[in-house]
Amino acid sequence: GEDVEQSLFLSVREGDSSVINCTYTDSSSTYLYWYKQEPGAGLQLLTYIFSNMDMKQDQRLTVLLNKKDKHLSLRIADTQTGDSAIYFCAENSGYALNFGKGTSLLVTP
Amino acid sequence: SAVISQKPSRDICQRGTSLTIQCQVDSQVTMMFWYRQQPGQSLTLIATANQGSEATYESGFVIDKFPISRPNLTFSTLTVSNMSPEDSSIYLCSVGDRGYEQYFGPGTRLTVT
Repeated sequence: GEDVEQSLFLSVREGDSSVINCTYTDSSSTYLYWYKQEPGAGLQLLTYIFSNMDMKQDQRLTVLLNKKDKHLSLRIADTQTGDSAIYFCAENSGYALNFGKGTSLLVTP
Repeated sequence: SAVISQKPSRDICQRGTSLTIQCQVDSQVTMMFWYRQQPGQSLTLIATANQGSEATYESGFVIDKFPISRPNLTFSTLTVSNMSPEDSSIYLCSVGDRGYEQYFGPGTRLTVT
């Protein structure tokens, strides 16, 4: 099948905003997700957005969805060193999820 | 959200042996899935674990290699059979909740020597 695409690496300074981008493949996906994986840990569901929305905000996280371009982004405001992790974008494919390869976010002091 | 535990959390196994991974959820869930995350890679769905019937496998995964059980709505097992070093991965159980939220267990880190 087609791949969910993400840039592989992002480096930001502490206190700046981070924007992680994703291009998904299935225009019929109902939900789109962002997961966080810290080193040696499992996946934590950060947030998700329903496909009929174009924006969702949850504290420091803002998700933007451009359904026409099948583009999803995750903005993290006031990025902290604890935000350093791999962030996975995923689309639902039926009941299961189709993941991107992950964006490794490095936050420097 | 559902709380998911997996056993073992990690293991080192010899080539040719088999390992059974357990996934336990703290509430009844309809959908349970098994994923594999190879080193430095994304997650790939292995199969959907169906309660009371055979699992549904994705292309490239077969029952003989990855037998799955789902005896009830809170528990599932995945066996990695006749292991080779290429099976070294993180194996993750996930559950579907409320139809759209999916939560993952902590994973089982398998190294095959």
